[in-house]
Amino acid sequence: QKEVEQDPGPLSVPEGAIVSLNCTYSNSAFQYFMWYRQYSRKGPELLMYTYSSGNKEDGRFTAQVDKSSKYISLFIRDSQPSDSATYLCAMGDDKIIFGKGTRLHILP
Amino acid sequence: GAGVSQSPSNKVTEKGKDVELRCDPISGHTALYWYRQRLGQGLEFLIYFQGNSAPDKSGLPSDRFSAERTGESVSTLTIQRTQQEDSAVYLCASSFFPNTEAFFGQGTRLTVV
Repeated sequence: QKEVEQDPGPLSVPEGAIVSLNCTYSNSAFQYFMWYRQYSRKGPELLMYTYSSGNKEDGRFTAQVDKSSKYISLFIRDSQPSDSATYLCAMGDDKIIFGKGTRLHILP
Repeated sequence: GAGVSQSPSNKVTEKGKDVELRCDPISGHTALYWYRQRLGQGLEFLIYFQGNSAPDKSGLPSDRFSAERTGESVSTLTIQRTQQEDSAVYLCASSFFPNTEAFFGQGTRLTVV
């Protein structure tokens, strides 16, 4: 079992829809969780960071962590074509381990 | 600088040559990470530096790969006797402490021909 599992997609949704992206993990030592967005041929850009179970909201983005289920989610409200990118979950206790990323397409 | 800086941005090298990739972390960041990203793939952990502690080298794929960091400043990733399978984007990230937000550079795209 890989440490971090993430569905690679692609995931296609119409503009304006709510997007749900998810990761599961196996290592209960992971203390902090991040979501990155990566556009083609660019470095990953940090979107959300959290270290506790529960929800954290920033604009159209909400990160959700359930440590008891070892499950994290990123929700994007009112999705825009500019949100089309690969979304990477990441987590760790010191070194950071990444999921393989989900390719998201927002259809105009 | 304002962000993590990596150089060169692109590197084409012949099979068997050695290459050196450079990462300038954000000033004051004590933790520094190297990752490899093959085309269409996720980020593969290579090595992690934290302050003056011994680095976590558990992700280095072979003894052809090595990395150094002096204090809390620049890091270099060296690949000796490059092979075609080393072709990838090499990404560097830094964070103020472990367990805090990590910020990435734009990467070095390495092509071995």
